[in-house]
Amino acid sequence: DGGITQSPKYLFRKEGQNVTLSCEQNLNHDAMYWYRQDPGQGLRLIYYSQIVNDFQKGDIAEGYSVSREKKESFPLTVTSAQKNPTAFYLCASSITSGGAIEQFFGPGTRLTVL
Amino acid sequence: GENVEQHPSTLSVQEGDSAVIKCTYSDSASNYFPWYKQELGKRPQLIIDIRSNVGEKKDQRIAVTLNKTAKHFSLHITETQPEDSAVYFCAASPGGGTSGSRLTFGEGTQLTVNP
Repeated sequence: DGGITQSPKYLFRKEGQNVTLSCEQNLNHDAMYWYRQDPGQGLRLIYYSQIVNDFQKGDIAEGYSVSREKKESFPLTVTSAQKNPTAFYLCASSITSGGAIEQFFGPGTRLTVL
Repeated sequence: GENVEQHPSTLSVQEGDSAVIKCTYSDSASNYFPWYKQELGKRPQLIIDIRSNVGEKKDQRIAVTLNKTAKHFSLHITETQPEDSAVYFCAASPGGGTSGSRLTFGEGTQLTVNP
């Protein structure tokens, strides 16, 4: 299961605290993505980045922030402004050209707000 | 933006029967349609994809069909086996431009194959 990794696997947070989820890839992919998965709601895009030092909001960016300082890394911060942060978070990466745009997913981080 | 609808949300079949999952999309600019399988507690994995320049693609027991005019595409699994039990997601992508390779996912179908 190499290629794209996420840590930690489980994360517990108290209300009002910010928390950062890690995502690293060694696939030399330009693009990286963060999704949130809730039961019965599929995968919803939070943020994505197609190149270092640039990123765009997805469909549910409120209460989240990201950075893309290195090609290999795309950390996601869940801020205290996110009203319902308890969810399963998936990171993914892909190339951005050539037509083959399969996204490869990490194993996910399950965040629970206590 | 793109909107993808997926039906049914749950599907139960007997082993050996066929299963069909259908998706519709709204953005005519979408040209890439992957299907992902997610087993319980695991990450989604691509099982098959189709691009808008073809109408059908097969890979052993799995096939995907695309109707661009009607903006819908379907996943067909034949001779289902218990290990096919999982959540299946369809997705659509514009495949370029300012949106790049971002995917919009359907809400998923929980497929259960009963022995």
